[in-house]
Amino acid sequence: GAGVSQSPSNKVTEKGKDVELRCDPISGHTALYWYRQSLGQGLEFLIYFQGNSAPDKSGLPSDRFSAERTGGSVSTLTIQRTQQEDSAVYLCASSRQVVDEKLFFGSGTQLSVL
Amino acid sequence: DAKTTQPTSMDCAEGRAANLPCNHSTISGNEYVYWYRQIHSQGPQYIIHGLKNNETNEMASLIITEDRKSSTLILPHATLRDTAVYYCIVSVGQGGKLIFGQGTELSVKP
Repeated sequence: GAGVSQSPSNKVTEKGKDVELRCDPISGHTALYWYRQSLGQGLEFLIYFQGNSAPDKSGLPSDRFSAERTGGSVSTLTIQRTQQEDSAVYLCASSRQVVDEKLFFGSGTQLSVL
Repeated sequence: DAKTTQPTSMDCAEGRAANLPCNHSTISGNEYVYWYRQIHSQGPQYIIHGLKNNETNEMASLIITEDRKSSTLILPHATLRDTAVYYCIVSVGQGGKLIFGQGTELSVKP
């Protein structure tokens, strides 16, 4: 596609439920990144992928968070047993390669945990 | 990555130049200066980056001081659509972990 696509755009869930957030990067981009942004806050790095591997998982807040990428393309961020503090906008970005830090961001998924 | 310091907010009159400063006094020799902006309810958008020399593209100009301890992003003719949070980031360009600070909230007023 023309840009980074994220789905769903909005997700409302109940505390304790699991959620999956999807990111479709720009075709041909080998690097993919996940950030989150809580209300009124800056961007918090979560994880990045080079191809299908994730060299740096240090930003994941807890073991309830996991991410995978298959076929060097689509990535899924999974949050298990969601908590209210997980409520945020989850942003995905991609770049041609890891050393190219011209990131292209999607519009994000607004996650609300009730 | 080195830290950056930016003013919390700035105003600019429509049609005038917007000059957004950034201090990065601990920048290393191999670190680039990147600028992104985030318009309300959208993902961040890349604007420009540079190492030592001044850079210009269709969106903005980047002026980096000779000692590289500070830089200025210039939007030559600001429009209402330039109202956004502007982030200055320094990075070695080895990927992944761009650290976004709080940025400068630029308000362009009619």
